[in-house]
Amino acid sequence: GAVVSQHPSRVICKSGTSVKIECRSLDFQATTMFWYRQFPKQSLMLMATSNEGSKATYEQGVEKDKFLINHASLTLSTLTVTSAHPEDSSFYICSAGAGGAADTQYFGPGTRLTVL
Amino acid sequence: GEDVEQSLFLSVREGDSSVINCTYTDSSSTYLYWYKQEPGAGLQLLTYIFSNMDMKQDQRLTVLLNKKDKHLSLRIADTQTGDSAIYFCAETRNQGGKLIFGQGTELSVKP
Repeated sequence: GAVVSQHPSRVICKSGTSVKIECRSLDFQATTMFWYRQFPKQSLMLMATSNEGSKATYEQGVEKDKFLINHASLTLSTLTVTSAHPEDSSFYICSAGAGGAADTQYFGPGTRLTVL
Repeated sequence: GEDVEQSLFLSVREGDSSVINCTYTDSSSTYLYWYKQEPGAGLQLLTYIFSNMDMKQDQRLTVLLNKKDKHLSLRIADTQTGDSAIYFCAETRNQGGKLIFGQGTELSVKP
């Protein structure tokens, strides 16, 4: 149980285009989903917290107009990187809160974004 | 402030025990977690411990928590080559709240 999927797993795009990444909780309902960014050999940096049906809460320094987050249902959250630039190239990982003991977060497999 | 620190590398021989250490600064931490990340993959939850516990054991994994010293450790018994990965400790202060991650410890298991 507690499986989280992400799509696509890898995407290469041209500078200036927008890219949408989907995060789905497959076997549970997630009222809260989180989006992280990870640079090579570094830890995860929380970008935003997404609650179903409400606006996402962004961490300091993260541009909300650049990284659009939509949490339309209890099993789906999307991150759209708008007008992507090479510096946006990174590994993006989502997680979903399953509730219950410890209210642990379960992570998706990540999406590798490369902007040319 | 919030800070979680880990040593960056650990190398052990197959069959030995591995001990990965983590320190944190937030005394109001409620849950502490260990995650495993293999190359190019997301994070896999290994285990967690509530802050009022001292120890938790789950098969080959043993978590020790010293709340006074704000020190958390993960011991992997009979380490296998498949255990080679990056291990992150993380803490949170409230249920459903944001996780604060350490830098990750890269475990290398040599045959």
